[in-house]
Amino acid sequence: SQWGEENLQALSIQEGEDVTMNCSYKTYTTVVHWYRQDSGRGPALIILIRSNEREKRSGRLRATLDTSSQSSSLSITAAQCEDTAVYFCATDKGGSAKLIFGEGTKLTVSS
Amino acid sequence: NAGVIQTPRHKVTGKGQEATLWCEPISGHSAVFWYRQTIVQGLEFLTYFRNQAPIDDSGMPKERFSAQMPNQSHSTLKIQSTQPQDSAVYLCASSFSPGSETLYFGSGTRLTVL
Repeated sequence: SQWGEENLQALSIQEGEDVTMNCSYKTYTTVVHWYRQDSGRGPALIILIRSNEREKRSGRLRATLDTSSQSSSLSITAAQCEDTAVYFCATDKGGSAKLIFGEGTKLTVSS
Repeated sequence: NAGVIQTPRHKVTGKGQEATLWCEPISGHSAVFWYRQTIVQGLEFLTYFRNQAPIDDSGMPKERFSAQMPNQSHSTLKIQSTQPQDSAVYLCASSFSPGSETLYFGSGTRLTVL
């Protein structure tokens, strides 16, 4: 499998809390994508981080990438109910056009 | 721009029947991808096209599954002799070019094989 077991999890938090999701990968990638998927919809890209970057921010989102340990994280600051979704990381296996997705993290934010 | 359009949203077939799923990519996008999503296997790559030509079908089951892109405005995924294990959400995505980094997904077709 491309992915470590730590990628499969469900998280439940309260509104206003911070949360971090992790994933690890086994094959070299030029970029790590993070997608979110709302119920009944397809995944949508929320942030991506390239192999030459260690951190990337977009609004309340922060992605990190450690190429030496082949792991990435996605943090959401001050989570809101509308952040409830399944979050996936995906890699390109060395620059391939196709993306390989991890198993996802189901995040539930309650008020 | 309506985004990637997939039809039908839901399809129920009997075991052994054929199912054809349709995808209309975003206008101007040259790459089209098909993925399958199940609870057990997650999001699995099936195949992709660039400028209507099949490029990589490494994820396609060798039997019963086929994909085509007869023109730039639509792609089809056909499953012959459907089996219960084919039940899944089939997602189509497009990107401006194969090297561009954002995949735009449709809402998927939920296939249920009874």
